[in-house]
Order: sequence, then structure tokens, then C-alpha cells
Amino acid sequence: EDQVTQSPEALRLQEGESSSLNCSYTVSGLRGLFWYRQDPGKGPEFLFTLYSAGEEKEKERLKATLTKKESFLHITAPKPEDSATYLCAVIKAAGNKLTFGGGTRVLVKP
Amino acid sequence: DVKVTQSSRYLVKRTGEKVFLECVQDMDHENMFWYRQDPGLGLRLIYFSYDVKMKEKGDIPEGYSVSREKKERFSLILESASTNQTSMYLCASSSVQDYEQYFGPGTRLTVT
Repeated sequence: EDQVTQSPEALRLQEGESSSLNCSYTVSGLRGLFWYRQDPGKGPEFLFTLYSAGEEKEKERLKATLTKKESFLHITAPKPEDSATYLCAVIKAAGNKLTFGGGTRVLVKP
Repeated sequence: DVKVTQSSRYLVKRTGEKVFLECVQDMDHENMFWYRQDPGLGLRLIYFSYDVKMKEKGDIPEGYSVSREKKERFSLILESASTNQTSMYLCASSSVQDYEQYFGPGTRLTVT
């Protein structure tokens, strides 16, 4: 069975304090791994897709990386507006459904 | 930009009522999805559709049905709403080229 585990569940950061979120996955034949940001009461917002080990994507203060077993979302010098829940999801080669992790709640304090 | 819209942001219904939630996407995506999201349980897939009039059950289809008569529109139906269906409902769509799912703003449904 496909599994996605995100850690930590929650993360409190001071503004400017860089950190990383982890997404470990077990899937038979990865087609792609996705990162989303979700603000309270809103739908998830698409951030990145990673397709193969070694791939990296960047957007502003966020950088996502992928290995054969896990992905990291690095937040560099975060600002309070980076506070959100970050979700990771995978899709396997033979499927069209995503399997989501439980998310990491990030709070950045000024 | 991909846009996915949902018919209501907030909805309050009584137990036993029939409830319709509608979702429209403007990117000509083949796939459309309905999820519910509850604290501590994450996103759970209710149903999805990969083509007009085609549907597949997700992880928690009990108590729900869906309809897709047009490519851009996907409806979720609660035949007889119950209090345990109080939740945030999220619609998403994706293409078969990249499978990136784009979500709507969500409908917060309360069943009393």
C-alpha cells in the first residue's frame, strides 16, 4: 500500500530561521511527488512537482528536493507569511490518484 | 491560470436533506476529484472522474454519489445528509499530462 509520512507534524520558527520539512514515501513506481501549501480555511495551493531523484525546484524562499525515498522542502529565511500547512503527495506510475501525507503546520513568528 | 470554483463557501443543511455541491474547472482537465478534509484525518478521496460520465470510488464513497455530465463540471451529492458528513469539501482537477491537481477554495458544510 502506498504511504506518505510527513515530519514534523508542527514546526515553530523565528523569522529568518531556516528549516526543512520531510516527506518520506513508499510507492511502487513513482510517477511524481507534489508539494502544496494550504492556508486555514482554504484549498491547497500547488507549489512544485518533482519527477526523479536528484531533481530540485525553487520558488522564492522554498526549495524542494527529491531522493528515491523522500523529499525535503527547505524554507530559507522564512517570513511570517510563510506560515501555513505544507502537504506532500505522490502519484504512482500506473495511477491517476494522489496519496497525501498528513501535512506539516509551520508557524513563523516575527 | 487554472481556476477551480465551487458553488458555495459555506453551507448549512439539516439531517436527511439532499445536498448538491458543484465544482467547475476552466482548464479542460480530464480528471476531477472530490475530497473531504477533517482535522487529524487529512485529505480523503471520496470519488473521482477521469472522463465525462465516468467515475471511480475513492477511499470513502459511502453516503455520497457524483455526477459528471460535462467535462468542466463535477457534482458531489449527499443523498441524505448526516451529521458525520459535516466537513470541508474540496474539489480538484488535473490533466493527464502532468497529474498536478489544482484545488478549489473549498465548501465548509455543516449538517445539523
